[in-house]
Amino acid sequence: AQKVTQAQTEISVVEKEDVTLDCVYETRDTTYYLFWYKQPPSGELVFLIRRNSFDEQNEISGRYSWNFQKSTSSFNFTITASQVVDSAVYFCALSVPNDYKLSFGAGTTVTVRA
Amino acid sequence: DTAVSQTPKYLVTQMGNDKSIKCEQNLGHDTMYWYKQDSKKFLKIMFSYNNKELIINETVPNRFSPKSPDKAHLNLHINSLELGDSAVYFCASSPLGPNQPQHFGDGTRLSIL
Repeated sequence: AQKVTQAQTEISVVEKEDVTLDCVYETRDTTYYLFWYKQPPSGELVFLIRRNSFDEQNEISGRYSWNFQKSTSSFNFTITASQVVDSAVYFCALSVPNDYKLSFGAGTTVTVRA
Repeated sequence: DTAVSQTPKYLVTQMGNDKSIKCEQNLGHDTMYWYKQDSKKFLKIMFSYNNKELIINETVPNRFSPKSPDKAHLNLHINSLELGDSAVYFCASSPLGPNQPQHFGDGTRLSIL
């Protein structure tokens, strides 16, 4: 069975601070896929990124960056120079071949104060 | 154009009633899903259909019955509603495959009185 742990329940920062969200995963599959989703206060779930297990290259998209490390089974997410609009719940998720569901972590609530 | 649309957005009803939530996607995806988000924000898969065929059926009370009349629609019918059914229900769709990002609807907030 797959498991995703987001140990940080809530993080509060002041605007322009950097914030890193931790995600640790467990799976016996050697091929797997990792995702991050954002759920703003309006409630919808927005896809942010997908990472394949065989591609450990880190990724940057604007103020967002992701650090994938197979050695520690982690897929961490950093928001640089946070803004109030980044306030949301962020979910890390995992899927594996022959199992089409997403296994979600419990989510981390990020609050960015002006 | 809304990609994955769910109706209704809010549903308030009494214990014991039967209700349905509808979901439609216009993305041309083969696979659709229902997830439940509880009061602690935890998201859990309930069902998944691929091209109208059931492919995931997690441990869900049989009061919950999904129906997929075609690959663009996946409806969720709930019989004999209980207090514990109060949650936000999300529909999602994707191309078939575990590496495919799932696109979610805006959710249906179900409140049982």
